[in-house]
Amino acid sequence: ETGVTQTPRHLVMGMTNKKSLKCEQHLGHNAMYWYKQSAKKPLELMFVYSLEERVENNSVPSRFSPECPNSSHLFLHLHTLQPEDSALYLCASSQGIRLAAYEQYFGPGTRLTVT
Amino acid sequence: GQQVMQIPQYQHVQEGEDFTTYCNSSTTLSNIQWYKQRPGGHPVFLIQLVKSGEVKKQKRLTFQFGEAKKNSSLHITATQTTDVGTYFCAGNEGNTPLVFGKGTRLSVIA
Repeated sequence: ETGVTQTPRHLVMGMTNKKSLKCEQHLGHNAMYWYKQSAKKPLELMFVYSLEERVENNSVPSRFSPECPNSSHLFLHLHTLQPEDSALYLCASSQGIRLAAYEQYFGPGTRLTVT
Repeated sequence: GQQVMQIPQYQHVQEGEDFTTYCNSSTTLSNIQWYKQRPGGHPVFLIQLVKSGEVKKQKRLTFQFGEAKKNSSLHITATQTTDVGTYFCAGNEGNTPLVFGKGTRLSVIA
């Protein structure tokens, strides 16, 4: 619907697992974002990539590792997560490199549960 | 760091009543954007305001940007059940990424 797809849509993982979230945008945008959305802190910005370069890293724990191989794809690699990391992880993209000058298009999110 | 405060956190209205959510920043914003997230959905862009004192309308929705570019509001006239969701404002300074408010969750009672 929005041109931004995310897989998987739901993920349950143990604290010792390693998994990856994938995001793909079909809009020709230059910037991509990872957000964490939980009941306590809605829409926390985690990482921003502009033209495949990471331009923002909001003090996110190292158990979250982003990767942006090209302007259409964004990954979030997860390892040794904690139960408090359970949340909805949203990917977004925007046109251009002036980050806030353009609207953001969000994907449907990955609902992550850490057991 | 930059913070965007949004009130109220929740609002319950009868269908047909009006609704307003307010967004405030301690710093002057370059622009402000509004998003709507339906229950179980993802945020969807509604509008962007850039100019001081700007007012924009979308059918029953009216968006305002304050003269000092530190506050904004979204007003919905005669709410309908389709308006249910969480409304987020997001602002930024310069070329920094958007900072989202915590949102206002709107419930409409038919």
